[in-house]
Amino acid sequence: KNEVEQSPQNLTAQEGEFITINCSYSVGISALHWLQQHPGGGIVSLFMLSSGKKKHGRLIATINIQEKHSSLHITASHPRDSAVYICAALGAGNNRKLIWGLGTSLAVNP
Amino acid sequence: KAGVTQTPRYLIKTRGQQVTLSCSPISGHRSVSWYQQTPGQGLQFLFEYFSETQRNKGNFPGRFSGRQFSNSRSEMNVSTLELGDSALYLCASSLEQTGELFFGEGSRLTVL
Repeated sequence: KNEVEQSPQNLTAQEGEFITINCSYSVGISALHWLQQHPGGGIVSLFMLSSGKKKHGRLIATINIQEKHSSLHITASHPRDSAVYICAALGAGNNRKLIWGLGTSLAVNP
Repeated sequence: KAGVTQTPRYLIKTRGQQVTLSCSPISGHRSVSWYQQTPGQGLQFLFEYFSETQRNKGNFPGRFSGRQFSNSRSEMNVSTLELGDSALYLCASSLEQTGELFFGEGSRLTVL
């Protein structure tokens, strides 16, 4: 079992739909990253959070430290949101390495 | 401000050869981390350097090594290449204060 699990693995939505991607982790963390990877490989950091909720445009990320769970929400989804979304947990204390989820492949159809 | 630059972008090697990949971080970023991405395994952490010191290391064999120079540029080296080393190698730089990651476009290595 991976230390960082994402669900769903694949997701297809219609333009305008509200999308939720989930990330659960089993290790102690100091922060959790959400990143977006487009075809061709480029990765962009979306959020880094250690508690509560962050919002940027149509994207919202939440984290529940007690439940070791984070969610990424996309409101009013658009075809340009089609990408792979990856969560990565940053270990706590001296264990600063990032542990990556396998990603959620999102396709938003017009 | 220039982003993270990785070179080369694409390369083809044969089994047994060795390869060196380069990563120039964003100016002012002293932390550089390296990742291997393959279709089946996702992103795997290789190592992280900060101020010329390896701060963390993933679970890769000794054939994978790296270093960081005084200008924060980093290189990783893979010796005695195997077919399974074919992957996209990504580096990311970050500021200690914020921890936000900035990725390069990656170096796509094919081992024949």
